[in-house]
Amino acid sequence: GAVVSQHPSRVICKSGTSVKIECRSLDFQATTMFWYRQFPKQSLMLMATSNEGSKATYEQGVEKDKFLINHASLTLSTLTVTSAHPEDSSFYICSASKGAYNEQFFGPGTRLTVL
Amino acid sequence: AQTVTQSQPEMSVQEAETVTLSCTYDTSENNYYLFWYKQPPSRQMILVIRQEAYKQQNATENRFSVNFQKAAKSFSLKISDSQLGDTAMYFCAFMATSGTYKYIFGTGTRLKVLA
Repeated sequence: GAVVSQHPSRVICKSGTSVKIECRSLDFQATTMFWYRQFPKQSLMLMATSNEGSKATYEQGVEKDKFLINHASLTLSTLTVTSAHPEDSSFYICSASKGAYNEQFFGPGTRLTVL
Repeated sequence: AQTVTQSQPEMSVQEAETVTLSCTYDTSENNYYLFWYKQPPSRQMILVIRQEAYKQQNATENRFSVNFQKAAKSFSLKISDSQLGDTAMYFCAFMATSGTYKYIFGTGTRLKVLA
């Protein structure tokens, strides 16, 4: 159990367009989902925390209008990168938690390339 | 604020040998969880082992064990009988049991197991 999927696994888009990444918990209800960004050979950087039905909490320095997060149900969260630019190219990882005192289960990640 | 430090950017070990990865952290919290995650070349984050701070006994999962020293705020990972499949990035993570349950990650240690 505790499987998290992400879609798409890879996406290439043109500068100025928007891209949506989906994160799903397949066999459990996720009260909280997290979105991370990872640059090559670096650690995971938390972008935001989202709880079902409420607004996401963004980390300092993360533009909430650029990285739109929606957590519409207990099994689905989406990250939309709006007006993407080449500097937004990165590996984006989501994770999901069953709730308090529980570890996070990670999705396989999405590689975004903005041309 | 909590911080997690992994002082070994890279390590290597011969197959079948034992290796220890270090992790130290700083916190004023009394209740928290510590984790080791493995990130192989596929970049899927895999939970290796977890430790609850209130438990004095060190966690063990097959070939993986930890040395948890709460007073010293140290949480090292020992891998016994190293296998080629252990080659990966290893991240230490801290999660307080108060607040948002978000992870604080270390910078990672790249482990290479040599044949």
